Amino acid sequence: EIVLTQSPATLSLSPGEGATLSCRASQTISSTLAWYQQKPGQAPRLLIYDASNRATGIPARFSGSGSGTDFTLTISSLEAEDFAVYYCQQGSSWRRTFGQGTKVEIK
Amino acid sequence: EVQLVESGGGLVKPGGSLRLSCAASGFIFSSYNMNWVRQAPGKGLEWVSYIGSGGIYIYYADSVKGRFTISRDNAKNSLYLQMSSLRAEDTAVYYCARDNNAYNDYWGHGTLVTVSS
Repeated sequence: EIVLTQSPATLSLSPGEGATLSCRASQTISSTLAWYQQKPGQAPRLLIYDASNRATGIPARFSGSGSGTDFTLTISSLEAEDFAVYYCQQGSSWRRTFGQGTKVEIK
Repeated sequence: EVQLVESGGGLVKPGGSLRLSCAASGFIFSSYNMNWVRQAPGKGLEWVSYIGSGGIYIYYADSVKGRFTISRDNAKNSLYLQMSSLRAEDTAVYYCARDNNAYNDYWGHGTLVTVSS
């Protein structure tokens, strides 16, 4: 099973600041990585797929990068609606594992 | 508009069984692989099971293998998860999600399964 490790667990930031979230895979997964955003009481929403492609309707302030085992989600300037939990997910294996999540909270 | 609507959740005793359903609409269901993903209260997302578009290729997380069975009826645009030998640690919101080239691009609202005596 491919294990995804996200860091940090929590990120405390102010609106307008930038955020950098990391996801590391236990083995190489090429670029088959997605990022999701989840707000309380809601289903997750796909933000980024294939490591760097924004899903439909996702604002340009969200960007993804990386390949192999190390990946990054960057939010260039946090807006109020961006405070949420973010998960990475690998698509290299049929067993579609998720990372444990990074909570982006208001400082 | 793509819609996924789960149903069948509820309260069940340890050792009991439950069948979840997911009704799909707004897309050609038979063309897409599907996943079940769950989330225990206050915890992260856990992938549970995958089924290929034709129902042939099926995979499970180790935590549910041998106890859960995923299936689909493409004629009814429906996905199912038969859960048996349920444990307290299976308590979670269960989501069905469309697997689009390895990523879950649409999700249902989820159905809560509570395993408790």
